[in-house]
Amino acid sequence: GAVVSQHPSRVICKSGTSVKIECRSLDFQATTMFWYRQFPKQSLMLMATSNEGSKATYEQGVEKDKFLINHASLTLSTLTVTSAHPEDSSFYICSARARGRTLMNTEAFFGQGTRLTVV
Amino acid sequence: SQQGEEDPQALSIQEGENATMNCSYKTSINNLQWYRQNSGRGLVHLILIRSNEREKHSGRLRVTLDTSKKSSSLLITASRAADTASYFCATLMDTGRRALTFGSGTRLQVQP
Repeated sequence: GAVVSQHPSRVICKSGTSVKIECRSLDFQATTMFWYRQFPKQSLMLMATSNEGSKATYEQGVEKDKFLINHASLTLSTLTVTSAHPEDSSFYICSARARGRTLMNTEAFFGQGTRLTVV
Repeated sequence: SQQGEEDPQALSIQEGENATMNCSYKTSINNLQWYRQNSGRGLVHLILIRSNEREKHSGRLRVTLDTSKKSSSLLITASRAADTASYFCATLMDTGRRALTFGSGTRLQVQP
């Protein structure tokens, strides 16, 4: 299957600083990437949809100025958590959809996730 | 609310036993997928069943789909300690966003 690499896998930052998380599709082009957030023992909640070359589409309740998404190329999307606070501590996971392929008949490809801890 | 609701939320069994997890969803679907997540890790795709399929097998996995009841089940036979993980069902959100929406998940613990 296709490989999605997410980096870093774990980060600890001080309150008020910003953290950038990268999501790369290693062996395919991803026109669309998705960012999810997961709290302990809970399900994944979609935060935003990242489209290559255009603005991200954010889900209701997700602050676009706090969670900056950039999808500058067909293989890279980044999520920047700005002015992080302890309540932003969570597990963030990206997912990618291959160019020319739909999710109608194929699985989504997920990164390994990033554990963010804001102290 | 989540598109999919799963039960049980947690399941603990002995190695060798079968584990059954159920998922219900609310809207029409084209397919339903099951994923596995080891603690603190990303998701791994297990199996996809299309809306015109009723049952599908993959190794020790058996998935059923009942579109009339809007429900699916995942059966893991002859479980192993390595099957310990969280299992999620997922369906496509509306066609505009094309993202997956996940069920609440079942945490499976297989005791050696």
